[in-house]
Amino acid sequence: GQNIDQPTEMTATEGAIVQINCTYQTSGFNGLFWYQQHAGEAPTFLSYNVLDGLEEKGRFSSFLSRSKGYSYLLLKELQMKDSASYLCAVTKAAGNKLTFGGGTRVLVKP
Amino acid sequence: DVKVTQSSRYLVKRTGEKVFLECVQDMDHENMFWYRQDPGLGLRLIYFSYDVKMKEKGDIPEGYSVSREKKERFSLILESASTNQTSMYLCASSFDDRRINEQFFGPGTRLTVL
Repeated sequence: GQNIDQPTEMTATEGAIVQINCTYQTSGFNGLFWYQQHAGEAPTFLSYNVLDGLEEKGRFSSFLSRSKGYSYLLLKELQMKDSASYLCAVTKAAGNKLTFGGGTRVLVKP
Repeated sequence: DVKVTQSSRYLVKRTGEKVFLECVQDMDHENMFWYRQDPGLGLRLIYFSYDVKMKEKGDIPEGYSVSREKKERFSLILESASTNQTSMYLCASSFDDRRINEQFFGPGTRLTVL
């Protein structure tokens, strides 16, 4: 089976940093995706990690530790428009099938 | 820009009705997926397809079927809609042979079954 856990909700202040953790236990692992989903909209791709380490992309960074079954998404210099749900998803060794966590809703306050 | 479109944003149906949800992508993607999204449960995979006329069950296929007659179109069918199928349905597509095969999502169809 597969189990992917992430916090349900987080609140942070504009300009601050927020770290969204994701832990997974899967039978077979190829890589981990992070998606952003604004309310009422489609999820959009943020990052993909397949090797251990940190991948930085502007204000957003994603980290993966395969041995610990752990990833985080780091959002820096938070802006109001970053208020959204952030979805962690893992893919197995073969194919493109994704298994998603429940999503973390981030609320950015002024 | 990749575009994934779904036939309806909102749909209201009655219990027992047959429901068709259509999804079209314009980027020549090999893979297409249907998910449902429910509060607290995240996105759950219903069915996916790697090629025309091919389909595979996802994690929650019961009560659903799919059809992929053309590469760009993937249909989700509820043979006899039930109230527990009230949900947001999201279609996605992706390439099969790239280093990062991210999925591109459609805007979703919010289905209410009365």
